[in-house]
Amino acid sequence: EAQVTQNPRYLITVTGKKLTVTCSQNMNHEYMSWYRQDPGLGLRQIYYSMNVEVTDKGDVPEGYKVSRKEKRNFPLILESPSPNQTSLYFCASRGFDSPGYNSPLHFGNGTRLTVT
Amino acid sequence: QKEVEQDPGPLSVPEGAIVSLNCTYSNSAFQYFMWYRQYSRKGPELLMYTYSSGNKEDGRFTAQVDKSSKYISLFIRDSQPSDSATYLCAMSRNQAGTALIFGKGTTLSVSS
Repeated sequence: EAQVTQNPRYLITVTGKKLTVTCSQNMNHEYMSWYRQDPGLGLRQIYYSMNVEVTDKGDVPEGYKVSRKEKRNFPLILESPSPNQTSLYFCASRGFDSPGYNSPLHFGNGTRLTVT
Repeated sequence: QKEVEQDPGPLSVPEGAIVSLNCTYSNSAFQYFMWYRQYSRKGPELLMYTYSSGNKEDGRFTAQVDKSSKYISLFIRDSQPSDSATYLCAMSRNQAGTALIFGKGTTLSVSS
């Protein structure tokens, strides 16, 4: 089954304790991205990657790091989490094999992070 | 002014009603317009995609884009309880869609 898998689904941590949220896709997609979703603010892009070893900042990159060493994986790293990073996080991917823009962005089922 | 504005609702309708969901935007460079549906505790999934102005129909769903008014709509005919979800509009300046801007989402509840 084609899917984007995020782990963990739920995470509670304390301020300053480094954490990593993993994301893996099995569709051989070039493009991967991280979003956070907050009430009243909607979905905002954190980082994205056009391909292996190519990453770029989105709209809200502060406090986050990413890496793209393999095509299928795109982990999100919080070196020193703070309470304002409490949010629902989504990883997404899409391929560029289809002409135009008909290929959809595939989302994972989210990681709910709470930083106390 | 925010780039994309979407009324968060919530919107409650009876089964069978016609639903109209809307977004306005300020950036005239947007060319690609999408609607995503998000069920509770799930990630968003693409529902409709349109390029530039015009209409697109898919079953009970119709997407409309009016670039002159910077206004997009999603119509749901014969709404069903299974349509209860949050609907997010999204738009992009480029064909690759690498910088999608999402609306905040409208929560829809269809009662049987």
